[in-house]
Amino acid sequence: AQSVTQLGSHVSVSEGALVLLRCNYSSSVPPYLFWYVQYPNQGLQLLLKYTSAATLVKGINGFEAEFKKSETSFHLTKPSAHMSDAAEYFCAVTKAAGNKLTFGGGTRVLVKP
Amino acid sequence: GAGVSQSPSNKVTEKGKDVELRCDPISGHTALYWYRQSLGQGLEFLIYFQGNSAPDKSGLPSDRFSAERTGGSVSTLTIQRTQQEDSAVYLCASSSSNMNTEAFFGQGTRLTVV
Repeated sequence: AQSVTQLGSHVSVSEGALVLLRCNYSSSVPPYLFWYVQYPNQGLQLLLKYTSAATLVKGINGFEAEFKKSETSFHLTKPSAHMSDAAEYFCAVTKAAGNKLTFGGGTRVLVKP
Repeated sequence: GAGVSQSPSNKVTEKGKDVELRCDPISGHTALYWYRQSLGQGLEFLIYFQGNSAPDKSGLPSDRFSAERTGGSVSTLTIQRTQQEDSAVYLCASSSSNMNTEAFFGQGTRLTVV
């Protein structure tokens, strides 16, 4: 069985500061890992994905994530937060392309001016 | 269409009534998924279609929930005899069957059972 843990249901950062959202997973097979963002009253939008190629993955809007097998982690970072980054972020895992996603509980990001 | 389309965007229904939620996936996407997003439970998988078949229905919470897909395209999620705990946002996603492709999500249907 797969599971995803996101540390911190809420994160507050100042505009211009580093954004770090933590995600740890458990999977019995090499996983596919995703980060999605959800803006208010919207669906989920893919930020980036790891599919066993490069361990450092760059996504949209300046976000990136690093797959660390030894730590079973896939933390999301952005060097400098913008007000527009205020949203909820979900980490997800699946064991193969086309399989269902298992989501973490989400982290809501608040950006302070 | 250009993206996954869900209708209605909002639905308020009385307890005990049946509801149908519709998902129109991206053209050509063979895989379709339904998820439920609620305050207490987060994002939960409900059912997965490959073409018109549903090889994984493991997330359907009770026999009041059913789904079908016709023509390898539109899917309908039906909830019979709705209960207040069914109130949630129901999200549909689709993907192609190629490796390394991600699921694209619709904007969801917000269901409120009163």
